[in-house]
Amino acid sequence: QVHLVQSGAEVKNPGASVKVSCKTSGYTFTGNWIHWVRQAPGEGLEWMGYIIPNSGDTHYAQNFQGRVTMTRDTSISTAYMDLTRLTSDDTAVYYCARGVANSGAVWLDPWGQGTLVTVSS
Amino acid sequence: DIQMTQSPSSLSASVGDRLTITCRASQSISSRLNWYQQKPGKAPEVLIYNAASLQSGVPSRFSGSGSGTDFALTITRLQPEDFATYFCQQAYSFPRTFGQGTKVEVK
Repeated sequence: QVHLVQSGAEVKNPGASVKVSCKTSGYTFTGNWIHWVRQAPGEGLEWMGYIIPNSGDTHYAQNFQGRVTMTRDTSISTAYMDLTRLTSDDTAVYYCARGVANSGAVWLDPWGQGTLVTVSS
Repeated sequence: DIQMTQSPSSLSASVGDRLTITCRASQSISSRLNWYQQKPGKAPEVLIYNAASLQSGVPSRFSGSGSGTDFALTITRLQPEDFATYFCQQAYSFPRTFGQGTKVEVK
């Protein structure tokens, strides 16, 4: 069974950085892209970008360019999302999700349990 | 970026009801449309991918339709566990974008 398990909740001061991990199991880590999506309290879903674990190639949403870095460690089947220069607007639950592709269709399944990042002084 | 607009943003329904949620894309996305269900405090889960394909393990009372710019998620015979928030997502181009969500509440 495929599982994505994320690191625990974080509280950060404005201007700080946060690194969230996403440990995968139950499938070949290099066989699927890992996407990151965030959700501010009471709000909708915002796609942040993805990493291709096999190559390390990344693609980030314009809103996060220059502030986000996605990396991976294939030896432990884990992906990471690093977000810098945090502000209160970055307070959200951050999710990793496995990208699944089949005959041109692409969807996210499963998702990690989410990591709450709170930015507050 | 492709804008995804869901309607309604919320609705009240009863167990056994049939309901339809719609999602409109700001440009054609072929059939590259996914539907997710999210329960409070939980991560989203995929229900429908590629507009009309039912994810394995999802009850057959869920169905999806549409192509181009207009899509729909239909739930027949609503069950207690179906009260949740539903999101559409386009998988046609980057950045991936989601609808704002439709919250299905108990009437």
